[in-house]
Parts: sequence; structure tokens; C-alpha cells
Amino acid sequence: EAQVTQNPRYLITVTGKKLTVTCSQNMNHEYMSWYRQDPGLGLRQIYYSMNVEVTDKGDVPEGYKVSRKEKRNFPLILESPSPNQTSLYFCASSSHPTGTGVGYGYTFGSGTRLTVV
Amino acid sequence: AQKVTQAQTEISVVEKEDVTLDCVYETRDTTYYLFWYKQPPSGELVFLIRRNSFDEQNEISGRYSWNFQKSTSSFNFTITASQVVDSAVYFCALSEAGDDKIIFGKGTRLHILP
Repeated sequence: EAQVTQNPRYLITVTGKKLTVTCSQNMNHEYMSWYRQDPGLGLRQIYYSMNVEVTDKGDVPEGYKVSRKEKRNFPLILESPSPNQTSLYFCASSSHPTGTGVGYGYTFGSGTRLTVV
Repeated sequence: AQKVTQAQTEISVVEKEDVTLDCVYETRDTTYYLFWYKQPPSGELVFLIRRNSFDEQNEISGRYSWNFQKSTSSFNFTITASQVVDSAVYFCALSEAGDDKIIFGKGTRLHILP
């Protein structure tokens, strides 16, 4: 089954304790991205990657790191989490085709709800 | 700069009614992509449609239809004969050609009342 897998689904951690949220896709997609979703702010992009070893900042990259050593994996790293990073995080991947219609777009993972206390 | 506005924060309709979710976008690019995503109460994001800027054909998929109007920079989404299972938050999004960022609107929460 084609999917994007994020782990963990839920995480409660303390301020300053490094953590990694994993993301893996089995569709051989080139493009991967991380978003955070906050009430009233919608979805905002943190980082994205166009291919292996190619990453770039999104709109809210501060406090986050990513890596893309393999095509299928795109982990999100919080070196020193703070309470303002409490959020719902989504990983997404896409083959970025040029097609149009109901068959194209990003596939999202199920989300990771992170609470930093 | 890219911007997506979903002016309707929350909508409630009775089952079987038709409902239209509005989406207005801003972009300086002539080539861009528009998306709609659904987020049901379970929290996952479900892709519904992607539309390229050079394709202004309206699209229908079952009870869902999309009206893309470049003249008004709008990409509205209509659900016909709504059902309770359509209750969700719906996001409109925009991506410019050559830029892999997708900018999301803040979403419209749709309640379908039985």
C-alpha cells in the first residue's frame, strides 16, 4: 500500500530534550516536506526536500533540522524543543507530476501530535 | 507573494444540501498549482484535487466539483447533496511553478447536520 509513515503518532517531551520524528514513504517520491498545523494558523511548511541531499527552508524553519540521506526517509529533528513547538506535525511526499485533476498531489502521513512541557 | 484566503471559517448545513467552499488566491506567477485537501475528525489529510493554472476546465468527481476562475483568482469547491461523512476541515492550497512550497489557507470547518 502506497503510504507515508510517521512515527510516533503522539509524543510528550520536556523542554530541551532532543527528539526525532521519522517519516518514510514507499512511493519513490522525490519531493518530501514537513508541515506543522496550529489552530487559527492552518498548515505551515517547515522544511522541504526536492531530492536526496537537497533540502530547503519553508516558512517556519526555526528550531528544526532535517536530513535527506535516502530518498524514502525525511526525519524531522528538534535539537532543543520548546513549548512553542507543541503542534500537530505532518510529513508529505509527492512525485510532483505536471498532471492536473483528482489524481495528483501530496500524500500526507497520519500526523504526529507533539507536546513539549 | 503567495497567499490563500478561505474567508469562511466555519459552515453548517443540513444533510443533502449543496455547499460551496470559497478559496481566493494571490500569486505573481503565471504558472501555479491549486489544491484542495480534506481533514476529517480523525486528523489525517486527504488529497482531493490538484489543478494547474493553464487548465481552467472545471472538474467533477462524484458529488464533488471544483470551479476554477482565473479572472477572479478563485478555486471554489462544491459538495452536492452533502452527507454527514463530509464533515471535516477543508484546506485550499497554492504552489508556484518551480517552488515546492505549498501555501495552505487556514481552512474551512464544515459541519453537515443530520
